[in-house]
Amino acid sequence: AQSVTQLGSHVSVSEGALVLLRCNYSSSVPPYLFWYVQYPNQGLQLLLKYTSAATLVKGINGFEAEFKKSETSFHLTKPSAHMSDAAEYFCAVSLIRGNKLVFGAGTILRVKS
Amino acid sequence: EPEVTQTPSHQVTQMGQEVILRCVPISNHLYFYWYRQILGQKVEFLVSFYNNEISEKSEIFDDQFSVERPDGSNFTLKIRSTKLEDSAMYFCASSGHHPQDNEQFFGPGTRLTVL
Repeated sequence: AQSVTQLGSHVSVSEGALVLLRCNYSSSVPPYLFWYVQYPNQGLQLLLKYTSAATLVKGINGFEAEFKKSETSFHLTKPSAHMSDAAEYFCAVSLIRGNKLVFGAGTILRVKS
Repeated sequence: EPEVTQTPSHQVTQMGQEVILRCVPISNHLYFYWYRQILGQKVEFLVSFYNNEISEKSEIFDDQFSVERPDGSNFTLKIRSTKLEDSAMYFCASSGHHPQDNEQFFGPGTRLTVL
């Protein structure tokens, strides 16, 4: 069965600093990987997805993630944090089209001014 | 841009009562899902639905839960006899018909409070 581990339930960065949110997955077959963002009292918005094309995936709002099969990782990065990036970020994995998403526990990103 | 909608945004009910949560997926999507998020916890899969039947369900999705697509546009989650522990945010999602498309689009959620 697939699973997702997000290291760090809370990450705090200064405005303008690098954002790095870690995600490791476990899957018996090549996975589809996703990062979603959840702002307070809102639903889940897709940031980016990996579906076996390019290993470096660019998403919305300047975020990107790199799929590293050897490390079973899909870490999310952004070169320069903005106050509006403060939210909770979820990494998720699924195996095939129509398959359930398995979510990590989430990482709350705080951006300090 | 097409989006998934959910009603109501907030539902308060008494323990033991039945509730129906409603969702309108993106039209021409083929796969439909319900997830829930208990306050402070991770998002958990409940059930997936394809071709008018359940394709997968989790251990959480026991006999008190049911899903239905009554009219080709709505997708509903019914909880027959609510318990305190059913209090959570319930998200509906749908995904499309392209073979390479596995992206699930989420609705804004329904916050269910069981008293």
